[in-house]
Amino acid sequence: KNEVEQSPQNLTAQEGEFITINCSYSVGISALHWLQQHPGGGIVSLFMLSSGKKKHGRLIATINIQEKHSSLHITASHPRDSAVYICAVIGGGADGLTFGKGTHLIIQP
Amino acid sequence: DGGITQSPKYLFRKEGQNVTLSCEQNLNHDAMYWYRQDPGQGLRLIYYSQIVNDFQKGDIAEGYSVSREKKESFPLTVTSAQKNPTAFYLCASGGGSPISYEQYFGPGTRLTVT
Repeated sequence: KNEVEQSPQNLTAQEGEFITINCSYSVGISALHWLQQHPGGGIVSLFMLSSGKKKHGRLIATINIQEKHSSLHITASHPRDSAVYICAVIGGGADGLTFGKGTHLIIQP
Repeated sequence: DGGITQSPKYLFRKEGQNVTLSCEQNLNHDAMYWYRQDPGQGLRLIYYSQIVNDFQKGDIAEGYSVSREKKESFPLTVTSAQKNPTAFYLCASGGGSPISYEQYFGPGTRLTVT
């Protein structure tokens, strides 16, 4: 079974800072999700990627399949980016999606 | 608007009672999923269905049951056999199997059993 580790678990930063959240996994995968969960619980899918890099607005996600590692970057962070960011991997076993425990991000004004 | 709806947002039940959580999608997705989220833990897959009238157990199916009689609907029943039912439950849908397609998540139902 795939083990998904995220770091850091908690991150507090000032508005405008460049943010990096990391995700590593133990078994080869088909693709990887980055998800955002706001207080109240609703989850939004930010990216699904299987290679290289994707960019959407101030968010950038990269993945290195050989190193089994992905990063989510937020440029020019803003308090509205405060949320839990979750990495989930697809494939690598019969159990479907496997999720990390999430990174709780707080951006202070 | 297309999306996934879950109802209710908050649900309270007494121990020993079965309870059914609703999940409806109008995205025309074949696959639907139920996940459970506990504090400090990652989401875990309870059941998933790739097509109408078929469903598969996930990692933590014990104490839960599902049905998939319609493409749009995938209700989850939390039975009295589930030892720790208090949790946040998320429903999702996608284009195919869990290993192939992007998933879209509903707003969730927070279940409290006392």
